[in-house]
Amino acid sequence: AQSVTQLGSHVSVSEGALVLLRCNYSSSVPPYLFWYVQYPNQGLQLLLKYTSAATLVKGINGFEAEFKKSETSFHLTKPSAHMSDAAEYFCAVRGRGDYKLSFGAGTTVTVRA
Amino acid sequence: DAGVIQSPRHEVTEMGQEVTLRCKPISGHNSLFWYRQTMMRGLELLIYFNNNVPIDDSGMPEDRFSAKMPNASFSTLKIQPSEPRDSAVYFCASSLSGTGSTGELFFGEGSRLTVL
Repeated sequence: AQSVTQLGSHVSVSEGALVLLRCNYSSSVPPYLFWYVQYPNQGLQLLLKYTSAATLVKGINGFEAEFKKSETSFHLTKPSAHMSDAAEYFCAVRGRGDYKLSFGAGTTVTVRA
Repeated sequence: DAGVIQSPRHEVTEMGQEVTLRCKPISGHNSLFWYRQTMMRGLELLIYFNNNVPIDDSGMPEDRFSAKMPNASFSTLKIQPSEPRDSAVYFCASSLSGTGSTGELFFGEGSRLTVL
């Protein structure tokens, strides 16, 4: 079964600083990987996805993630944090041929002025 | 295009009452999921439908929970009778599944249920 582990349940960054959210996956073959963002009192919104076309994936709001097979990682980054980036972020994995997305526990990002 | 539409957004009810949550998936999507989100347990998959047929309901916590999808544009999640521990945010999500599809989920805004 596929699974993901998000390292760190809370991350606090200063406005303008790098945002780095860590996600490691468990899968015997390269799966589909996703990052979602959830703002307060809203549903989850897709930030970006990895489907094997390119290892560096660019998403919305200036976020990007790099798929590293050797490290089984799919970390999410943004060079410069904005106050509007304060939210909860979920990494998710789906095995090829599977229907189910397995979500990580989530990482809450706070941005300090 | 309209996204996944859920109703009600908020529901407050008393223990023992019946609760019905509704979902309209994105037109053309053939898969529908119901999730429950709580602080303690995070996101839990309750049930998965494909082409209106329930495929996996192993996440449905008890017989008090039931879900239906009578057609491609409508699904319900019912709790009868409701209990305080059912208090959570319930999300409906839809996707397009099949050969060549990456199957990302599109979520509704959620229904926040409070059972007193």
